Amino acid sequence: QKEVEQNSGPLSVPEGAIASLNCTYSDRGSQSFFWYRQYSGKSPELIMSIYSNGDKEDGRFTAQLNKASQYVSLLIRDSQPSDSATYLCAVMALDSWGKLQFGAGTQVVVTP
Amino acid sequence: DGGITQSPKYLFRKEGQNVTLSCEQNLNHDAMYWYRQDPGQGLRLIYYSQIVNDFQKGDIAEGYSVSREKKESFPLTVTSAQKNPTAFYLCASSRDETGELFFGEGSRLTVL
Repeated sequence: QKEVEQNSGPLSVPEGAIASLNCTYSDRGSQSFFWYRQYSGKSPELIMSIYSNGDKEDGRFTAQLNKASQYVSLLIRDSQPSDSATYLCAVMALDSWGKLQFGAGTQVVVTP
Repeated sequence: DGGITQSPKYLFRKEGQNVTLSCEQNLNHDAMYWYRQDPGQGLRLIYYSQIVNDFQKGDIAEGYSVSREKKESFPLTVTSAQKNPTAFYLCASSRDETGELFFGEGSRLTVL
């Protein structure tokens, strides 16, 4: 059973602070890693993808990948109330053609 | 504007009835997917299609059927054989095999 684990939260973050979200996965064949943001009642939207070990930055978001530890994380700097959402971690094995395994998500609440 | 259109957004069904959820995309994407989301759970893959007239079962295909007669369209039928059909259904597409999915707004099905 391939599993993607996330802390369900809620993660309460003061406005302007850094939110740190973690994700672990069980399938060592996973090659591609994604963070999707989902507002309440809405559909997910892709915010970050990462394919190699290390950090990848995009605006206020930084994704970190450590394949040896089977661990991927997302940092949100200067958190804003508009960042309040559920963040879904997803992984994909090589040659799986878009078939993602999703975690249950971490709810983030940014408080003014 | 390019995107994915799902309809209906809300649907109520009596037990024993089949229902079909529509998914149309004008992104010119080859691959299309159906995911199911239950409260507190990650998205689970029902069916996917990489090309017209071809589709594959995902992790939870029992009680569902699909067709892919046109590149733009990938309807999902929830049959009476699906024992617990109440859920949020999400259609997605991707340009390639990278796993970067674009989602429609979703269809929320409730069985009465």
